[in-house]
Amino acid sequence: EDKVVQSPLSLVVHEGDTVTLNCSYEVTNFRSLLWYKQEKKAPTFLFMLTSSGIEKKSGRLSSILDKKELFSILNITATQTGDSAIYLCAVEAVPGTYKYIFGTGTRLKVLA
Amino acid sequence: GAVVSQHPSRVICKSGTSVKIECRSLDFQATTMFWYRQFPKQSLMLMATSNEGSKATYEQGVEKDKFLINHASLTLSTLTVTSAHPEDSSFYICSATSGLSSYEQYFGPGTRLTVT
Repeated sequence: EDKVVQSPLSLVVHEGDTVTLNCSYEVTNFRSLLWYKQEKKAPTFLFMLTSSGIEKKSGRLSSILDKKELFSILNITATQTGDSAIYLCAVEAVPGTYKYIFGTGTRLKVLA
Repeated sequence: GAVVSQHPSRVICKSGTSVKIECRSLDFQATTMFWYRQFPKQSLMLMATSNEGSKATYEQGVEKDKFLINHASLTLSTLTVTSAHPEDSSFYICSATSGLSSYEQYFGPGTRLTVT
């Protein structure tokens, strides 16, 4: 059975800290892994990863994929209270269908 | 960017009634729409995949007769929760893709359903 597992489930840090969120997966036919940020309502897209070892970066956020060990990490440096959210990892379960399996999510809280 | 709307944003209904939730792509044609549900503090769970003009494909464990999905046009999909019960109370989110790139899955704002 395809599955996506994220860790930790929740995390509390102080502003300025750096955090690393983990996503491991087991899917039959991997094609892509996506990271989303979910605040009050719908998730918003952060990154899409398809190749191992290539870091994607956007401001203080970065992410990398390891297709051999079947995991991805999302790093947030110099965290701010606005980074408080649920971070979701999703893996395309069936290539070409846009059908994703979502992980359990990591609930991040950044304290001022 | 592409916008997906959902209506209503919040609904409270009595046990045994049916509730219809609409998902619309406002500025693009959605070849495929997905319906998810999310329980408090849990991740999104894919319920079904909806392609315009064809029957929806339901995930294992999702009752197709209870969660009726109709993708009548390239901009509209509806989810009807039939004979709702309190355990159906959840946050329902739709997403839509035009099929042009794999990450181009745009999420609606969600509908919070409470069944009393």
